[in-house]
Amino acid sequence: DAKTTQPPSMDCAEGRAANLPCNHSTISGNEYVYWYRQIHSQGPQYIIHGLKNNETNEMASLIITEDRKSSTLILPHATLRDTAVYYCIVGGGNFGNEKLTFGTGTRLTIIP
Amino acid sequence: GAVVSQHPSWVICKSGTSVKIECRSLDFQATTMFWYRQFPKQSLMLMATSNEGSKATYEQGVEKDKFLINHASLTLSTLTVTSAHPEDSSFYICSATRTSGGSQFFGPGTRLTVL
Repeated sequence: DAKTTQPPSMDCAEGRAANLPCNHSTISGNEYVYWYRQIHSQGPQYIIHGLKNNETNEMASLIITEDRKSSTLILPHATLRDTAVYYCIVGGGNFGNEKLTFGTGTRLTIIP
Repeated sequence: GAVVSQHPSWVICKSGTSVKIECRSLDFQATTMFWYRQFPKQSLMLMATSNEGSKATYEQGVEKDKFLINHASLTLSTLTVTSAHPEDSSFYICSATRTSGGSQFFGPGTRLTVL
């Protein structure tokens, strides 16, 4: 699996958009980009995933660069409940049956 | 949909005893389940991949005789920590994927404390 690089921590003001970057320069052609988050002492929560097109759901937007070497997760209107560790993970096509390799993630703190 | 539960949510046991943790997919069938371990202030580390009806695949460095995994049905996988010791104290998390594939969905985790 390709490795990912994320900043260790970020702060964002409540109500503003939170933009979390991820570098995955060694991603291969059939690997997806997945984002999960983990709130303290809970299991990870799926947020969004994509292959090469930008994706949006009720939680967030995922912007993937044209060369697919980096991506950005956007939380459009951050709330205090979005404070968590965010993990960017790349994985194979039939991702569900393949193991996930978690990096250290980005600790996002939403400031009131 | 896609809810995964774990039981118990926390457990305290004496050194030398065995502890069983259950992972259930509540509203879908899961061919594959994964077991992770997370120590304080660290990331999740995959322990093993559990496939329904077959033996689990363990990651390097994980003792298969100590961490027994059984995936007897499409909705249940169990992890038994045998002869637990204080260094086994950790947060154990499972995940499951639908038989049709797609994202992994995680359980809420089980906090094990071995005295």
